[in-house]
Amino acid sequence: EAQVTQNPRYLITVTGKKLTVTCSQNMNHEYMSWYRQDPGLGLRQIYYSMNVEVTDKGDVPEGYKVSRKEKRNFPLILESPSPNQTSLYFCASSPTGDGYTFGSGTRLTVV
Amino acid sequence: AQSVTQLDSHVSVSEGTPVLLRCNYSSSYSPSLFWYVQHPNKGLQLLLKYTSAATLVKGINGFEAEFKKSETSFHLTKPSAHMSDAAEYFCVVTPFGGYNKLIFGAGTRLAVHP
Repeated sequence: EAQVTQNPRYLITVTGKKLTVTCSQNMNHEYMSWYRQDPGLGLRQIYYSMNVEVTDKGDVPEGYKVSRKEKRNFPLILESPSPNQTSLYFCASSPTGDGYTFGSGTRLTVV
Repeated sequence: AQSVTQLDSHVSVSEGTPVLLRCNYSSSYSPSLFWYVQHPNKGLQLLLKYTSAATLVKGINGFEAEFKKSETSFHLTKPSAHMSDAAEYFCVVTPFGGYNKLIFGAGTRLAVHP
């Protein structure tokens, strides 16, 4: 089944403890993105990648890192999480940017 | 700069009545426009997209949207609401040639009552 898989689905962590949210797609898509969703704000782009080793900042990149060493994987790294990064995170992929497939989301709570 | 405004944060309809979710966009160039739906505790699913072909776009589950350049609108409609349509809906724009970026509206939560 064609899909975008994010792990974990739910995560509670403490301030300052490094964490990684994984994202993997099995559709050989070029484009991948990370978004965070907050009430009343819709989804905002954190980082995107247009191909292996090609990444760039979105609208809210502060406090996040990404890497794209393989086409299928696009992990989101929080080196020192803070409570304002408590949010619902989505990974998405697309072959051309013309319609994205989204993962099921990762609900992160930082205490 | 591109932006999207969803004019209603909440819409409530009765089952079997029409649905109208309103979206206005701002774009300097010819945009691509999308509607996505998010059911509770699920990811986002693409409902339909406009990419400069026909101005009336048909999507899945009986939804359609009309691109009106003169009004800078892309409203989502459905003739008859079903209980399963209850969800949050997002209007999305990508700038011309900027397919790495989706710009989301704040969302409209649709409630469907029996």
